[in-house]
Amino acid sequence: QKEVEQDPGPLSVPEGAIVSLNCTYSNSAFQYFMWYRQYSRKGPELLMYTYSSGNKEDGRFTAQVDKSSKYISLFIRDSQPSDSATYLCAMSAMNRDDKIIFGKGTRLHILP
Amino acid sequence: DAGVIQSPRHEVTEMGQEVTLRCKPISGHNSLFWYRQTMMRGLELLIYFNNNVPIDDSGMPEDRFSAKMPNASFSTLKIQPSEPRDSAVYFCASSPETGGQYFGAGTRLSVL
Repeated sequence: QKEVEQDPGPLSVPEGAIVSLNCTYSNSAFQYFMWYRQYSRKGPELLMYTYSSGNKEDGRFTAQVDKSSKYISLFIRDSQPSDSATYLCAMSAMNRDDKIIFGKGTRLHILP
Repeated sequence: DAGVIQSPRHEVTEMGQEVTLRCKPISGHNSLFWYRQTMMRGLELLIYFNNNVPIDDSGMPEDRFSAKMPNASFSTLKIQPSEPRDSAVYFCASSPETGGQYFGAGTRLSVL
């Protein structure tokens, strides 16, 4: 089993819809969870960062971690065409940038 | 701040040729990372420098790959000789002492 699994998509939703992106993982030692957004021909940029279980909200974005199920989610409310990008989940057992394991990313298309 | 600057943006070369990718990290950042991104394997860490010193190069695929950081404002990733399976997008990222990676726009390498 891969350490981090993420559906590659593409996921197409109409503008204004709620988007749900998910990752599962196998390493119970992971404590730090991140979501990166990557626009076409650009590098990934950090979107959300959470530690351990629970929810974190930032504007239209909510990150959710369920460590008991080894499952993390990113919700995007009132989705916009500008949200069209690839979203990579990432996680680490330590608070160290060199120990981050990335998912392969989900391509998201928001249809105007 | 201009962000992490990578050059060239695109590189097309023939098998067996030497390829050098360049990176200028964000001023003041003390950590630098080289990643490779492919559809099959996603984003993989190749090597990590801290204060210009290579800390972990366990992700470097083989001896054909080498990386240097002669000073705090410049790093190179060299592939010699290049092979078609090296075709990928190579990202450089830098990080301040407080953490959080900032990615460059990447170099898209095609080895024919």
